[in-house]
Amino acid sequence: GAGVSQSPSNKVTEKGKDVELRCDPISGHTALYWYRQSLGQGLEFLIYFQGNSAPDKSGLPSDRFSAERTGGSVSTLTIQRTQQEDSAVYLCASSHPGVSSYEQYFGPGTRLTVT
Amino acid sequence: RKEVEQDPGPFNVPEGATVAFNCTYSNSASQSFFWYRQDCRKEPKLLMSVYSSGNEDGRFTAQLNRASQYISLLIRDSKLSDSATYLCVVNKDNTDKLIFGTGTRLQVFP
Repeated sequence: GAGVSQSPSNKVTEKGKDVELRCDPISGHTALYWYRQSLGQGLEFLIYFQGNSAPDKSGLPSDRFSAERTGGSVSTLTIQRTQQEDSAVYLCASSHPGVSSYEQYFGPGTRLTVT
Repeated sequence: RKEVEQDPGPFNVPEGATVAFNCTYSNSASQSFFWYRQDCRKEPKLLMSVYSSGNEDGRFTAQLNRASQYISLLIRDSKLSDSATYLCVVNKDNTDKLIFGTGTRLQVFP
């Protein structure tokens, strides 16, 4: 079946502009996660959606970052007034807790470059 | 102390060698454990889950020691294609939120 998809695959934007990154999880997966990975670094948790529960936003680095998940499926991560330190690969993952023992399946990521 | 700690490496080994990676985790309430593999400029992919009794998948063997809060991955007969970063992953408390280690880099040379 189809895996997690993300768009765009690459995004170059000027400092101060807003960007939107999209994630389509695997169909039927109730949990969706956003991570950030800077070059040569580990995964940094950003936000987590599980079903209809309130999202866990504890990893968002500032109030310039927000995310929503519409209809329990597609998610959009928005970064307002981008800064150069926002440059990273943004990875989305989905899982179906209780079925696959918390295994997460990742999309290919969006490489964001802020100039 | 980090929630998941790994030796970053790199581990440089010749083809055919056996190599082992270790990982420690701090949360005794964790219940799910995984090894993920990440190739350069690619997304992480699940390599294998780690079960209490230990498990093997071909050339790969994973072990869990709950008492010491320690996970290991053994790779036998290393191939060039095994070159990648191996991420140790543990779930947080009793939730489905995963904590990723920063990874151990493996380079297999001819």
